[in-house]
Amino acid sequence: SAVISQKPSRDICQRGTSLTIQCQVDSQVTMMFWYRQQPGQSLTLIATANQGSEATYESGFVIDKFPISRPNLTFSTLTVSNMSPEDSSIYLCSVTGPYGYTFGSGTRLTVV
Amino acid sequence: QKEVEQDPGPLSVPEGAIVSLNCTYSNSAFQYFMWYRQYSRKGPELLMYTYSSGNKEDGRFTAQVDKSSKYISLFIRDSQPSDSATYLCAFYEQLTFGSGTQLTVLP
Repeated sequence: SAVISQKPSRDICQRGTSLTIQCQVDSQVTMMFWYRQQPGQSLTLIATANQGSEATYESGFVIDKFPISRPNLTFSTLTVSNMSPEDSSIYLCSVTGPYGYTFGSGTRLTVV
Repeated sequence: QKEVEQDPGPLSVPEGAIVSLNCTYSNSAFQYFMWYRQYSRKGPELLMYTYSSGNKEDGRFTAQVDKSSKYISLFIRDSQPSDSATYLCAFYEQLTFGSGTQLTVLP
């Protein structure tokens, strides 16, 4: 299955700033997925990113807050904009594998 | 009703115990079932997958599916401290995950 490199692994950010998270996949994939995992909770899908088209956002998530880029079939970024402490969470990218979904190692974001 | 309910809550067992983790779901369209293991500060990793009712065994791990009852389980035999992690059930069709069970195996 694919190997995903995600960075940064963690960051502490000031309220009101933005952070861009990068995911690099070692093979070409059609769809990439971005999740949020709040402390003690499960994974919540933020959006699905296809190369060459606008990302599709889930209910409760908007492009202005979480802009996504997908410039090619191996790379995607998620930006968390105008951050507040409520955005403190783990953010994960994922791709479809032969038997399930493969995840990056996650970005642990703390907003102060 | 939540689409997926996972239990138990945080679980602490002695080394060698048999562990049972469970999820119920409401969407009858779910046909492909997965269990993920997530170590602290890591992304989830696929542990087991199955698409049929019945049992699937892989070493110390057994995944069980009962589609008629909309119930899936993961059993861990002879649990080890290295099994300490959060376990999440997952459903392929709608990218849906359970809330996770944090398991601690005490040496």
